[in-house]
Amino acid sequence: NAGVTQTPKFQVLKTGQSMTLQCAQDMNHEYMSWYRQDPGMGLRLIHYSVGAGITDQGEVPNGYNVSRSTTEDFPLRLLSAAPSQTSVYFCASSRQGLAGELFFGEGSRLTVL
Amino acid sequence: GNSVTQMEGPVTLSEEAFLTINCTYTATGYPSLFWYVQYPGEGLQLLLKATKADDKGSNKGFEATYRKETTSFHLEKGSVQVSDSAVYFCALSDRGGANNLFFGTGTRLTVIP
Repeated sequence: NAGVTQTPKFQVLKTGQSMTLQCAQDMNHEYMSWYRQDPGMGLRLIHYSVGAGITDQGEVPNGYNVSRSTTEDFPLRLLSAAPSQTSVYFCASSRQGLAGELFFGEGSRLTVL
Repeated sequence: GNSVTQMEGPVTLSEEAFLTINCTYTATGYPSLFWYVQYPGEGLQLLLKATKADDKGSNKGFEATYRKETTSFHLEKGSVQVSDSAVYFCALSDRGGANNLFFGTGTRLTVIP
C-alpha cells in the first residue's frame, strides 16, 4: 500500500548547496508532478510529466530541474538552493484521463539557510 | 487564466455546527472542480469532485455543487466533528490535457468539542 513515497521528509541546506528530492509511485501512473506549498499561497505547480521521457514546466519552475527516466520515479533537483526555496514540497501522481484526481505523497519540508 | 479563490481562514467551529467554506473560480473552458483535505502532517487527499455544471460531489458527509452561473463550488457539512479539523483546498483542473490542478490558498478548520 505504498502509493506515492517521498524522501527525505526533512532537509536543511545552506544557500548554494544542491540536493534531490526523491519521488516514487507504485501505481503505474503516467502522470506525476511536483508542487510547493507556501503559507497563504496554496500549492503551486513546479514541474510535471505525462510519461517517461516527457517533462514540462508548471507555474514556478525556476531553480528546479526534473527528469523522468522511468514510470515510477520523478526526482526534483535543486542545483543551487536559495532561501526562497524554503517550502514544503509535494509529489503527486495520477492516471491519465483522470484529470485532477491526484494521489499525494506526505511531503518534504526543506529549509534553506 | 485559471484561478481559485476561497474564503480566508482560520475557521473555528463547535462540534455539530454547520460548515460552509466558500470557493469561487475563474477558468477558461469547462474545468472539473475538487475539494482536497490535508490532515496534520499528511499530504493532500481528494475529498470530493464534480466534473460538470450542476453536479454535486459528496463524501464523508461533505457536499459541494458545481454552480456555473455563479462560478462557485462551496463546501458544506451539516454537522462537523473534531476529526474534521484539517486544511481544505478548493481546486480546479485544466482540461487542456495534463492533469494539472490550480489550488486555492486553503482554509484551516478547527472543530472544538
